[in-house]
Amino acid sequence: DGGITQSPKYLFRKEGQNVTLSCEQNLNHDAMYWYRQDPGQGLRLIYYSQIVNDFQKGDIAEGYSVSREKKESFPLTVTSAQKNPTAFYLCASSPRGATTDSNQPQHFGDGTRLSIL
Amino acid sequence: GENVEQHPSTLSVQEGDSAVIKCTYSDSASNYFPWYKQELGKRPQLIIDIRSNVGEKKDQRIAVTLNKTAKHFSLHITETQPEDSAVYFCAARRTGFQKLVFGTGTRLLVSP
Repeated sequence: DGGITQSPKYLFRKEGQNVTLSCEQNLNHDAMYWYRQDPGQGLRLIYYSQIVNDFQKGDIAEGYSVSREKKESFPLTVTSAQKNPTAFYLCASSPRGATTDSNQPQHFGDGTRLSIL
Repeated sequence: GENVEQHPSTLSVQEGDSAVIKCTYSDSASNYFPWYKQELGKRPQLIIDIRSNVGEKKDQRIAVTLNKTAKHFSLHITETQPEDSAVYFCAARRTGFQKLVFGTGTRLLVSP
């Protein structure tokens, strides 16, 4: 979807270094998500945010951190504590449903491929 | 929490054949089930979704069926074409929750 921009497309990390992956959306979506995808595997949730200034840990949050200071931005920092960071990272967003019974689809960015030097 | 299992992990068919991918979920409160297609190195794209108040939904050559009692849902692709070759992911979500839980994916290969 053209409304979600991830940068950079490729990123290399040195040992002991923190790196930050950018995710910006202009879809006016309330919710944003970060997933990690390893070769031949499904998408695993790292962090998600349902509203500005609030976020929750997903299934594999250790070694990662996020912030949500603006509605359109949800950057992910891969810290040196993440010992196996090589993966394809996908950001997604979705509208908040009008009611708690509403289900809105998630739309993905093009991803960032992170490798270790 | 929710757990989604997806089968098969790989599926090879001849062009023109049908393909069926099956998913089961564990949380009976789940009520939204999307399917995503991901081509190599690209973003997952939503291809169809179904909510628990319906049993089947069709969109041209693709269809999804849902059996709430058995807690499983399936993706059906008819008249497959080589451009259908990709990895397909199913997912499930509970009412009021934003989190999607994904299956592990099915690699579909359509041979001419």
